[in-house]
Amino acid sequence: GIQVEQSPPDLILQEGANSTLRCNFSDSVNNLQWFHQNPWGQLINLFYIPSGTKQNGRLSATTVATERYSLLYISSSQTTDSGVYFCAVELKQAGTALIFGKGTTLSVSS
Amino acid sequence: NAGVTQTPKFRILKIGQSMTLQCAQDMNHNYMYWYRQDPGMGLKLIYYSVGAGITDKGEVPNGYNVSRSTTEDFPLRLELAAPSQTSVYFCASSTRTDHNEQFFGPGTRLTVL
Repeated sequence: GIQVEQSPPDLILQEGANSTLRCNFSDSVNNLQWFHQNPWGQLINLFYIPSGTKQNGRLSATTVATERYSLLYISSSQTTDSGVYFCAVELKQAGTALIFGKGTTLSVSS
Repeated sequence: NAGVTQTPKFRILKIGQSMTLQCAQDMNHNYMYWYRQDPGMGLKLIYYSVGAGITDKGEVPNGYNVSRSTTEDFPLRLELAAPSQTSVYFCASSTRTDHNEQFFGPGTRLTVL
């Protein structure tokens, strides 16, 4: 089946630093979403980005569907950015549910 | 709009007990999903529904049942709870159009002892 691999698994930053999270997927997809799971367990939609580039404040994301990867950029990180970032994809051929990667755990200290 | 709501937030069950996790959405979405998240892992699909009266199995359906009698509600039933079902359960919904963005509820944390 499709594989979704995220890197790095863990990331520790000082407040104000920038970071790039990567998501590789092994098959063609209809949909790709980035989520932030905060320390209380809530899943927050960051981006719906099957292709192209989007920006929302300090966060931006780029998906290159032909090369099967997506990047999430976090600039000027804040302690509230801490948590787990998940990439999830929907298969083009089967299309329905999202397949999640294992996530990148981000810790931002002041 | 409340979005996707789930009840209860937390529950502790004894082995062999049963319960129903409730999920409702007010966005008129046709597609609804149940996922489970085990510690340190991403989410895995249990069941999904493409509309009222239609459900299908996902990756990890054993030990669960679902029904979809209305567009708004998609309850998940656990029969004979087992420790392996200790997890956080998330319900999600989507419009299933070209823009198939999924929206998630706050989750139910279930412990089976």
